Amino acid sequence: AQSVTQLDSQVPVFEEAPVELRCNYSSSVSVYLFWYVQYPNQGLQLLLKYLSGSTLVKGINGFEAEFNKSQTSFHLRKPSVHISDTAEYFCAVTGYNNNDMRFGAGTRLTVKP
Amino acid sequence: NAGVTQTPKFRVLKTGQSMTLLCAQDMNHEYMYWYRQDPGMGLRLIHYSVGEGTTAKGEVPDGYNVSRLKKQNFLLGLESAAPSQTSVYFCASSYSIGLAYSYEQYFGPGTRLTVT
Repeated sequence: AQSVTQLDSQVPVFEEAPVELRCNYSSSVSVYLFWYVQYPNQGLQLLLKYLSGSTLVKGINGFEAEFNKSQTSFHLRKPSVHISDTAEYFCAVTGYNNNDMRFGAGTRLTVKP
Repeated sequence: NAGVTQTPKFRVLKTGQSMTLLCAQDMNHEYMYWYRQDPGMGLRLIHYSVGEGTTAKGEVPDGYNVSRLKKQNFLLGLESAAPSQTSVYFCASSYSIGLAYSYEQYFGPGTRLTVT
């Protein structure tokens, strides 16, 4: 089965600074990759997804991610973060079967003023 | 359009008690999922359903049962709660576009369950 590893459990950053949240995956078959965001006391919300095509994927709230097959990575980036981006971010992977989504342990992004 | 709702939001159980968590979605989605979220472990799939009347096991199904008698509802049952089932439970739904998956899951707000 596929799996993901989020390399940082916590990422503190100052407002308006760039940020990168790292995600590596492992799979023996074609993968579909996702980033979800979870604000405090809420459910998860899809930020972006890679299914095929361009390896640079743009999502909501100014986030983007790049699929790198040779490095088996799908890192999430934002050039300038806001206080409101403070949340937990989850990388997820699935194969063609949508019913076996595997999530990483999460990265808590804290944006400081 | 409420999306995905979960009932209750919080619950405290004693070891050995039973309970049912209700998930409802008003988006006419075919697929529904139950996950548990534990610190440092992300979300893990408990059970899922690909349509009314069908259910299947996920990654961590032991100690849980599910039913999907109506397309819009997906119930998660704990027959005999254990402290190891203390967790936050999330329901999600998804849909297909023709024969293709959408690969987007819509999540409910979660149920925080404590078993003492």
